[in-house]
Amino acid sequence: GAVVSQHPSWVICKSGTSVKIECRSLDFQATTMFWYRQFPKQSLMLMATSNEGSKATYEQGVEKDKFLINHASLTLSTLTVTSAHPEDSSFYICSARKAGSRGMNTEAFFGQGTRLTVV
Amino acid sequence: LAKTTQPISMDSYEGQEVNITCSHNNIATNDYITWYQQFPSQGPRFIIQGYKTKVTNEVASLFIPADRKSSTLSLPRVSLSDTAVYYCLVGDKNAGNMLTFGGGTRLMVKP
Repeated sequence: GAVVSQHPSWVICKSGTSVKIECRSLDFQATTMFWYRQFPKQSLMLMATSNEGSKATYEQGVEKDKFLINHASLTLSTLTVTSAHPEDSSFYICSARKAGSRGMNTEAFFGQGTRLTVV
Repeated sequence: LAKTTQPISMDSYEGQEVNITCSHNNIATNDYITWYQQFPSQGPRFIIQGYKTKVTNEVASLFIPADRKSSTLSLPRVSLSDTAVYYCLVGDKNAGNMLTFGGGTRLMVKP
């Protein structure tokens, strides 16, 4: 199946600094990528939808100036957590659909996630 | 997006068949049903997807009744490694809409 890779797998940063997380589709082109956040023992919460070449669409309650999303190419989207604080510590997961996906059996592919710890 | 309801948790034993049912009473005509599996500290992994009746692949079967207001994921002969959280999602993927995750079902397989 298709592969989505996230980097880094885990990161520890100091409060007030910024952290960038990369999401790459390794063997397919993804017009749209999605960013999720997951707290312990909870489900995934959609943060934003990232569209190649255009601005991301953020879910209600997600600060666009704090969580900067860039989708510069069909294989790469980045999420930057700016001025991180301990409450931003979470598991961040991206997913991608293949470009031009239509019809049956067009599932979304997920990255392995990034564990962010802000100290 | 249709809301889904699943049991919070289930226990099973190795070798048994496990059936996890999901309710989605407000499913729309264009919505598909997709199931994902997630292990701790990993991203979700696609299991199976369907629209109606029955779908089977190498790891699971998905049963969808005619009214499509529910679906059942069937895992044959589970092993310890099937211990995970299973999510049922519905959404109109033909419109490019992303699927929203509900609470999921935490399956514990015991020896």
